[in-house]
Amino acid sequence: AQSVTQPDIHITVSEGASLELRCNYSYGATPYLFWYVQSPGQGLQLLLKYFSGDTLVQGIKGFEAEFKRSQSSFNLRKPSVHWSDAAEYFCAVGAPSGGGADGLTFGKGTHLIIQP
Amino acid sequence: ETGVTQSPTHLIKTRGQQVTLRCSSQSGHNTVSWYQQALGQGPQFIFQYYREEENGRGNFPPRFSGLQFPNYSSELNVNALELDDSALYLCASSRGGGSFQETQYFGPGTRLLVL
Repeated sequence: AQSVTQPDIHITVSEGASLELRCNYSYGATPYLFWYVQSPGQGLQLLLKYFSGDTLVQGIKGFEAEFKRSQSSFNLRKPSVHWSDAAEYFCAVGAPSGGGADGLTFGKGTHLIIQP
Repeated sequence: ETGVTQSPTHLIKTRGQQVTLRCSSQSGHNTVSWYQQALGQGPQFIFQYYREEENGRGNFPPRFSGLQFPNYSSELNVNALELDDSALYLCASSRGGGSFQETQYFGPGTRLLVL
């Protein structure tokens, strides 16, 4: 079974600074990889996803993520954060073999705090 | 285009009771997935419905059951509520039978408190 680890429970970043959120996964092959953001009172919103091909993927709101097979990682980055980026961020994996019917496996999330 | 909606937004029940949560899919979506998100945790997959049938299930007991209706809306039913069932319940709708190639759109969730 697949699993996801987000090592950082909380991260504090100054507005305008760069951001990197870590995600490591465990799966026998290359899974489908996702990053979601959850703001208070909101549902999860998809930021970006990786299935195959170019290991650097661009998403919405200026986010990008890089898939590194050798490190089993899929870290999320943003060059300059805005106060509105404060939220909970979740990394998730999906097993290609299940065709989607097995659902996504999420990490426990990283709470991003933006300092003015 | 209407997004995914869930009702009610909040709910308080006592242990042993039964609860029904509702989800209206985004227009044109034929697949609904349900997730349980305990406080401080990531969402956990409960099950998925496609064309009114359950086509995938996570590690949840049978007292968690669901329905999908012809208009693709869905219900999550939980019987014999336990204290650990207290959580935010999220539904997500998508096209294509749940294929990961299709984006899942999440509703805002129903927060259930079991006393």
